[in-house]
Amino acid sequence: EIVLTQSPATLSLSPGERATLSCRASQSVSSYLTWYQQKPGQAPRLLIYDASNRATGIPARFSGSGSGTDFTLTISSLEPEDFAVYYCQQRSNWLTFGGGTKVEMK
Amino acid sequence: EVLLVESGGGLVQPGGSLRLSCAASGFTFSNFAMTWVRQAPGKGLEWVSAISGSGDSTYYADSVKGRFTISRDNSKYTLYLQMNSLRAEDTAIYYCAKDPRDSGSWYKYFDYWGQGTLVTVSS
Repeated sequence: EIVLTQSPATLSLSPGERATLSCRASQSVSSYLTWYQQKPGQAPRLLIYDASNRATGIPARFSGSGSGTDFTLTISSLEPEDFAVYYCQQRSNWLTFGGGTKVEMK
Repeated sequence: EVLLVESGGGLVQPGGSLRLSCAASGFTFSNFAMTWVRQAPGKGLEWVSAISGSGDSTYYADSVKGRFTISRDNSKYTLYLQMNSLRAEDTAIYYCAKDPRDSGSWYKYFDYWGQGTLVTVSS
């Protein structure tokens, strides 16, 4: 099973700041890496698929990069609605999710 | 508009059974693979089971293999999850999620999710 490790577990930032979230895979997943956002009491929302492709309707401040084992989700300037938990997920070998990074307001 | 609405959750004793449903609308249901993903209270996401658009191919996580059965009725636009021999560790919100590509094959990422149904396994 491919293990995805997300870091940091919690990121404390202020609106307008840049957020950089990391997802590391235990073995190469090529570019088959997806990012989701989840707010309390809501279902996950697709943000980025195949490492760097923004899903429909996702603002340009969200970007994804990486390949192989190291991936990054960047939020260029945090808006109040971006404070949430972010999960990465690989689909290279079956399907697994990372443990999540919580982006909280400082 | 794509809509996924889960139902069938509730409180069940260990060893019991439950059947979850996911009613879909807003897309051609039979063209898309569907997946169940669960989330234990305060925890992360865990893939449970998936099914191809035609229903011919099914997939299960090791944690539920032999206990859960996924199925679909394309004429009713409904996805199901039959859960038997339930354990305390199956307690979670269960989400149904839609594949993004209309090939019918399982692409293993999800562009739409339902709001989930809570399953609690406790005596």
